[in-house]
Amino acid sequence: ETGVTQTPRHLVMGMTNKKSLKCEQHLGHNAMYWYKQSAKKPLELMFVYSLEERVENNSVPSRFSPECPNSSHLFLHLHTLQPEDSALYLCASSQDIAEPHGNEQFFGPGTRLTVL
Amino acid sequence: SQKIEQNSEALNIQEGKTATLTCNYTNYSPAYLQWYRQDPGRGPVFLLLIRENEKEKRKERLKVTFDTTLKQSLFHITASQPADSATYLCALEGDTGRRALTFGSGTRLQVQP
Repeated sequence: ETGVTQTPRHLVMGMTNKKSLKCEQHLGHNAMYWYKQSAKKPLELMFVYSLEERVENNSVPSRFSPECPNSSHLFLHLHTLQPEDSALYLCASSQDIAEPHGNEQFFGPGTRLTVL
Repeated sequence: SQKIEQNSEALNIQEGKTATLTCNYTNYSPAYLQWYRQDPGRGPVFLLLIRENEKEKRKERLKVTFDTTLKQSLFHITASQPADSATYLCALEGDTGRRALTFGSGTRLQVQP
């Protein structure tokens, strides 16, 4: 176990549904991330939160809406998704974004999302 | 923008041999580079971090080199075992600052018994 949990592990939803992915870290970290991993493509950074403030948004469509109520929890709210949004969604956390730690990230197991 | 390339999509080797994976990058000079292991259906797991002023770093059977002139990192697994079979990802700090990592697409290593 990495200290980062994600629920649900699997999710099937229709294009008109609204669902949320949840991530929780038990490591006392200050930064949390959402990544998307599609088949045969590199991990794509979606959102970065540092101390509960969004610091980076990689031009993600508005049908994905993140929420970080505190430094231990991160949500990804989903609505009106498209079939091409089907992927493994990974949450990660890190101590902080400054040196000397570098930016070693601890990943959760991911949520396998299928959009029908 | 920065680009990361890992030498091959898949690498097959015999148990006991040394596996060597390559990570090349362009259009950036990162202060550090990281390697992760990912098993199917799981999240990546951190293995090693090497800084720009370090030429080599070792951890048990793992060795990483970092050549900032060539813009290349090599990842070696010595005395490989079937349990080493996984996808290995290299990552470096994003070019928007030290706020996130940019990952390569990974190399899938298969160690044959």
